Amino acid sequence: ETGVTQTPRHLVMGMTNKKSLKCEQHLGHNAMYWYKQSAKKPLELMFVYNFKEQTENNSVPSRFSPECPNSSHLFLHLHTLQPEDSALYLCASSQASGRNNEQFFGPGTRLTVL
Amino acid sequence: GQQLNQSPQSMFIQEGEDVSMNCTSSSIFNTWLWYKQDPGEGPVLLIALYKAGELTSNGRLTAQFGITRKDSFLNISASIPSDVGIYFCAGQVSSGNTGKLIFGQGTTLQVKP
Repeated sequence: ETGVTQTPRHLVMGMTNKKSLKCEQHLGHNAMYWYKQSAKKPLELMFVYNFKEQTENNSVPSRFSPECPNSSHLFLHLHTLQPEDSALYLCASSQASGRNNEQFFGPGTRLTVL
Repeated sequence: GQQLNQSPQSMFIQEGEDVSMNCTSSSIFNTWLWYKQDPGEGPVLLIALYKAGELTSNGRLTAQFGITRKDSFLNISASIPSDVGIYFCAGQVSSGNTGKLIFGQGTTLQVKP
């Protein structure tokens, strides 16, 4: 595998379910990101991890819980979501969270909350 | 907060035509990136710009970093059907070390064969 991979690609869950999204990067990068992409809106940054440490939480509700066990893996744990949380969730990575920040994206997880 | 204004919002053109889209901001950026997103996929990096005035090409794509550091444009020459998709600009804020990218709203491009 190369680049940034995400699983699952599609997820349908009820509001009381608990699920997790997984992201893995094979680029040797040190920074990883979660974005939310809703229809008709710009990409919204959710979380930033730099060398496994969370450096940004963009006022994301606590029903979204990120986890970064190492520089190659990033998870987003989901619990008691709302229908308005339905969106494409994109993971990205970059060499480091600093200047010349070329971020490379995974294919995304299309989430539907019923 | 910082915002990017990307225009046009959508374009419907004939194959072979040239395309131009741009992004403007009230804030200064030190990096501009252009991405393309196909349906059901994540954005793919097309061009990265690091210096004011820089003009960079990638095949039929050309992008420029505005002199004022508040704008950037992307041109696509001789469009083909596979150019269809959503194009996003992204600017990196000039202060701090967080490397936070601000994304434009996207330009949806449709190409008629």
